[in-house]
Amino acid sequence: NAGVTQTPKFQVLKTGQSMTLQCAQDMNHEYMSWYRQDPGMGLRLIHYSVGAGITDQGEVPNGYNVSRSTTEDFPLRLLSAAPSQTSVYFCASRTKGARQFFGPGTRLTVL
Amino acid sequence: LAKTTQPISMDSYEGQEVNITCSHNNIATNDYITWYQQFPSQGPRFIIQGYKTKVTNEVASLFIPADRKSSTLSLPRVSLSDTAVYYCLVLMNRDDKIIFGKGTRLHILP
Repeated sequence: NAGVTQTPKFQVLKTGQSMTLQCAQDMNHEYMSWYRQDPGMGLRLIHYSVGAGITDQGEVPNGYNVSRSTTEDFPLRLLSAAPSQTSVYFCASRTKGARQFFGPGTRLTVL
Repeated sequence: LAKTTQPISMDSYEGQEVNITCSHNNIATNDYITWYQQFPSQGPRFIIQGYKTKVTNEVASLFIPADRKSSTLSLPRVSLSDTAVYYCLVLMNRDDKIIFGKGTRLHILP
C-alpha cells in the first residue's frame, strides 16, 4: 500500500492563478480531510469528506473548493491564489473512529 | 467541539521520562483521546489513543483519570529524536471532523 499520496510536493504560484492539489489513498478509507499548516503553527482544517459525493467545510474553507467523486481521490482546488494561502497543505484519510493517516504534504508559495 | 489545552512548549533531557498533560473539560461519554506527533516538514503521525485508565504501546503510555477531563502522554527515556510537536485531540464519535490545536513543542536536550 502506498498510503496517502500528494502531488505536487512543491508549487509556486502567482497571485490570481488557480491550481489543484491532488490527494489519493489506497486504504479504502471513507473519511478524507485537507489541512493547512502555516510556519510555526498547528494544523487547520480546510475541508473534509465522509464518503464519495459528500463534502463539508472545516475551519478555514474560504478560497478553496473540494470534490469527492471516488473513494480514493480528494483534490483541493485553489480558485484564485493569494499570498495568504502560502502554506504547507496536508491531506489525511481514516475510517470512522480510527486514527488518521497523513500524506507527505505540498509546500505552496504564492507570490 | 471538545476543546483541548496543553502546554505550548517543554524542555527535557535525554534519558528522562517526559509527561505532557492535556485538559479536555467537555469531553463526551463516547469520545476518545488521541495523541499525534509531528516532526518538521512531515505530516502528523499517530502515537496512541485511549478511552480510560491506561493504554501502553511500544512508543508511549497514555494515562486517563476516571473523570476523563485530562490525560497525560508519557514518553519513557526520551532521546534527541523525540524532539517534535505533540498534539492532543479528542476524537468525537458524534462528529466527523478532527480539529488540531496548537500542540506542545517538546525539545530534548543532550
